Amino acid sequence: DSGVTQTPKHLITATGQRVTLRCSPRSGDLSVYWYQQSLDQGLQFLIQYYNGEERAKGNILERFSAQQFPDLHSELNLSSLELGDSALYFCASSISRRATSGNTIYFGEGSWLTVV
Amino acid sequence: SQQGEEDPQALSIQEGENATMNCSYKTSINNLQWYRQNSGRGLVHLILIRSNEREKHSGRLRVTLDTSKKSSSLLITASRAADTASYFCATDELGEYGNKLVFGAGTILRVKS
Repeated sequence: DSGVTQTPKHLITATGQRVTLRCSPRSGDLSVYWYQQSLDQGLQFLIQYYNGEERAKGNILERFSAQQFPDLHSELNLSSLELGDSALYFCASSISRRATSGNTIYFGEGSWLTVV
Repeated sequence: SQQGEEDPQALSIQEGENATMNCSYKTSINNLQWYRQNSGRGLVHLILIRSNEREKHSGRLRVTLDTSKKSSSLLITASRAADTASYFCATDELGEYGNKLVFGAGTILRVKS
């Protein structure tokens, strides 16, 4: 158990809908990262928050948004969903501000999103 | 973008054999990390090697880094069926919107008992 908690574990929704994925980082970790994993795109970095502020941005679509709350949990909002958004969405956390500082990044078990 | 590219894409070996996976990357790095993912599960950090290190060991894992060739290898010795998983290398990339960890496409390892 990595200590990173993601909910829901599985989600099936229709095209055009909006969903929210939730992540609780490991106790003491200030950084939260969101990744999308799909068969055709592999593991893609979406966005990172550190202590409530956006820290780094990757290939995140405009239809997607995220935030980190004062209690450090984070939410990833996906709107106007398309079939191609079906993927496994991972949240990860680390203690450091930089993803590449060398501190271990701990991954949650992911949220499986299926858009039908 | 994918900074790291693993090779081979898939590897099938017998229990007890050694497994070697390679990773190549494009730009200079501060460190390189290897992760493991069991099917449909989260990624687990295995080992990190810094750019000024050439080799690192952790249990049955041995990682090498050749910055001149921009490549790294992960060796798993005396493999077990439980080592069956996907293995990813991850490198740092400084982009327009901050510093991020970029994963390769991964190597699928199957260890047959």
